[in-house]
Amino acid sequence: KQEVTQIPAALSVPEGENLVLNCSFTDSAIYNLQWFRQDPGKGLTSLLLIQSSQREQTSGRLNASLDKSSGRSTLYIAASQPGDSATYLCAPGSSNDYKLSFGAGTTVTVRA
Amino acid sequence: DARVTQTPRHKVTEMGQEVTMRCQPILGHNTVFWYRQTMMQGLELLAYFRNRAPLDDSGMPKDRFSAEMPDATLATLKIQPSEPRDSAVYFCASGLDVGTTQFFGPGTRLTVL
Repeated sequence: KQEVTQIPAALSVPEGENLVLNCSFTDSAIYNLQWFRQDPGKGLTSLLLIQSSQREQTSGRLNASLDKSSGRSTLYIAASQPGDSATYLCAPGSSNDYKLSFGAGTTVTVRA
Repeated sequence: DARVTQTPRHKVTEMGQEVTMRCQPILGHNTVFWYRQTMMQGLELLAYFRNRAPLDDSGMPKDRFSAEMPDATLATLKIQPSEPRDSAVYFCASGLDVGTTQFFGPGTRLTVL
């Protein structure tokens, strides 16, 4: 069973600081890995999807890296803004059945 | 603006009652997923469908939960009878195919008294 750990559980930074969110997973047999954002009381919004053959993926201020062999992914958010305050979830997808396993998330607060 | 819709958004019911949650996936998506989110367990996959056929429902308590796709525009999740431990937020998500980006609905917040 895939186990996903996200560190830290919570993070508070002043506006403008860069954010580094870590995700580790126990089973390296993944098809891809997705990063999601969840605002309080809302559903999940997909941020980035990295295929297992890729090392990184970028979208605007977001950059995600993937080291499949070591079971790690990192989400970088440059020049954080108060609007980035949310919970960020990492979800590797199994190469056997494509099912996503979710971490508990990192809750980010960006102070103005 | 294509999005996944779910109804109802909130449901309060008493133990033993039947609960039905509905989901309309994004048009053209052939995979549909049902998840449950609680503070204790986080996000758990209950079941998923591809081309309306159930591929996996191993995450679902079979004695009380059932999931169906009567047609390509509607997925349902039913709990009968409901129990207080079923209280959670239930999310539906859809995707173009397995292994692609999943788009989540806003969720149904279920409270069973």
